[in-house]
Amino acid sequence: DGGITQSPKYLFRKEGQNVTLSCEQNLNHDAMYWYRQDPGQGLRLIYYSQIVNDFQKGDIAEGYSVSREKKESFPLTVTSAQKNPTAFYHCASTGRLPQPQHFGDGTRLSIL
Amino acid sequence: QKEVEQDPGPLSVPEGAIVSLNCTYSNSAFQYFMWYRQYSRKGPELLMYTYSSGNKEDGRFTAQVDKSSKYISLFIRDSQPSDSATYLCAMSADDKIIFGKGTRLHILP
Repeated sequence: DGGITQSPKYLFRKEGQNVTLSCEQNLNHDAMYWYRQDPGQGLRLIYYSQIVNDFQKGDIAEGYSVSREKKESFPLTVTSAQKNPTAFYHCASTGRLPQPQHFGDGTRLSIL
Repeated sequence: QKEVEQDPGPLSVPEGAIVSLNCTYSNSAFQYFMWYRQYSRKGPELLMYTYSSGNKEDGRFTAQVDKSSKYISLFIRDSQPSDSATYLCAMSADDKIIFGKGTRLHILP
């Protein structure tokens, strides 16, 4: 089935550690997105990429980094500079705006 | 004024009732309108997607768009306990998509 796969489902980070969240899609979509969702809150855009080897900062990019070396993959690294990383992280993709985005099941990141 | 406003709820209704969920927006450039359903600890799932003003129906779900009033609605008929979730509206123009904060819905058996 076509879709978006995020892994791991749950992730724990120690102080001073960088962690990487995986996002893979087989929908042949050009654009991919990372969102952060805090409890009871909406989706906030971290980074997005409209084409391979290119990406743009969203509203809350500080403390995060991304790469887009392949069309199918858009990993997100939560660096030690992100002091409050506990949240749900959602990856999405779309063929092209204004088409709707499709989401993975999310990764829950917690601090140890 | 925020670009998209959505009442966070929670909204509790008895099983079988008609549910009405709403969003207002301020940017007239928005062309496409979406509703997503999000179960706890899951990603948002696309429910409805519409472009023009008017109604779009899919089973028990009806999406309504009123561009002149900048107001969109999602109606759920014959609501079921399995409809209990958070519903997010979203709208997009050529260069961006904006999500509402979501309305938590509880269907009481």
